[in-house]
Amino acid sequence: DTGVSQDPRHKITKRGQNVTFRCDPISEHNRLYWYRQTLGQGPEFLTYFQNEAQLEKSRLLSDRFSAERPKGSFSTLEIQRTEQGDSAMYLCASSLDRGWNEQFFGPGTRLTVL
Amino acid sequence: AQSVTQPDIHITVSEGASLELRCNYSYGATPYLFWYVQSPGQGLQLLLKYFSGDTLVQGIKGFEAEFKRSQSSFNLRKPSVHWSDAAEYFCAVGNNDMRFGAGTRLTVKP
Repeated sequence: DTGVSQDPRHKITKRGQNVTFRCDPISEHNRLYWYRQTLGQGPEFLTYFQNEAQLEKSRLLSDRFSAERPKGSFSTLEIQRTEQGDSAMYLCASSLDRGWNEQFFGPGTRLTVL
Repeated sequence: AQSVTQPDIHITVSEGASLELRCNYSYGATPYLFWYVQSPGQGLQLLLKYFSGDTLVQGIKGFEAEFKRSQSSFNLRKPSVHWSDAAEYFCAVGNNDMRFGAGTRLTVKP
């Protein structure tokens, strides 16, 4: 396993369109996280899963955002009716399930909304 | 609420010089603290972490950090910087819902 992978790496879309991103975690990791990073800022936590259960969602995750992890393996993040403010890097991370956890990050999906 | 402040947006040091990147945190309990590095086009890589025990922690690439509860700080240090250390450095606090600072961009002069 070569680490966390994300697809696509880049996405350009027009305002109002829906987009979906995929994250494949490290195979034995049962926790999966989504973050958003805008230019000049650190990553902002969006949500995380333990197996298929979504355990926490940030207030940043508006109703237009939905994340799933149906079989406890890969995850998808969908943004409906995209807005220019959604332009950002979307990062995925995964970790083992223990008291403290090292989160391993993927390369991210850069979204540009025109 | 937990939060992280990195006071320095950009730091420039000469190759071979020492480095200290500042991080202050706010957290209600004993914090889990992390330093990550992000190079252009690369994912975030964990440099080191602290959650208990010895307050001076060693990480990869010759980095270390010291946890000071009285100052709510977790500053990152390196005694001699290499040109390859030029990158963005992020301090983070928390566990599952990590909070990151805004980052410090490090430039290394030859």
